[in-house]
Amino acid sequence: SQQGEEDPQALSIQEGENATMNCSYKTSINNLQWYRQNSGRGLVHLILIRSNEREKHSGRLRVTLDTSKKSSSLLITASRAADTASYFCANSGGSNYKLTFGKGTLLTVNP
Amino acid sequence: EAGVVQSPRYKIIEKKQPVAFWCNPISGHNTLYWYLQNLGQGPELLIRYENEEAVDDSQLPKDRFSAERLKGVDSTLKIQPAELGDSAVYLCASSLDLLGQDSYNEQFFGPGTRLTVL
Repeated sequence: SQQGEEDPQALSIQEGENATMNCSYKTSINNLQWYRQNSGRGLVHLILIRSNEREKHSGRLRVTLDTSKKSSSLLITASRAADTASYFCANSGGSNYKLTFGKGTLLTVNP
Repeated sequence: EAGVVQSPRYKIIEKKQPVAFWCNPISGHNTLYWYLQNLGQGPELLIRYENEEAVDDSQLPKDRFSAERLKGVDSTLKIQPAELGDSAVYLCASSLDLLGQDSYNEQFFGPGTRLTVL
C-alpha cells in the first residue's frame, strides 16, 4: 500500500491560473519530492524539499512542507497547457531512503 | 547523454505466458530500481539494486517475479507465468548513490513498459 495521498485527485484550470496540489504522508521523512508524469512518458523529478526546510522555489514551482502536519503542497504559478500532467509526491524515509509515492493529482490546464 | 532505456515499450501476452523486460540505466549510476505502476496509481517499488546486489526486494512477488543485474549495469525483470492482474506499467529508474553524502539521490525514470495480459 502507498503511504502518501494527494489532494485533489483531479484539477482543471485555465491557462495563466495557479494550481495548488496537496500531499499528506504518514511517517517521518528525510525529504519529500514531487514528480510529473505526462501521458505515455516516464516520471520526471521536479523538486525536492528536505525535512528541515519549510519552503522551496524552482522557477514557477513553490513547495512547502509542514512536518508537524505531515503535509506538503506544490504550487504552480502562471500555468501553461504544457503543465497538463499527473503530479506525484514521494516521500523518502528510513535507512534505505526508499521512495513511497502517492496516487497523484491529474492536472489539466485548458488553453 | 541518454536517459534510462527500457524495452519493449509495449507488450501484450496471454495469461500463463512468460515475459521479460529490459532496462539500461544511465551510465555510471550504481543504483537501479524496478517499479510497478497500476492505472491511476503512483509507482510502487518492486526491487532495488546497489550494483549487483538486490538490497530491497521485499515487495517483489517471488513466486512468479524474478530480476537480475548480473554485471551491475543493465537489468531484466521477468514474470513467469503472467496473470491478468500483472497488467500494468513497469518502470525502471536509476540513481547515483554516493556514500557519505546527503541522503538525497535523485532517481531518473525510464519511459516504462506497458504490459497487457489477456
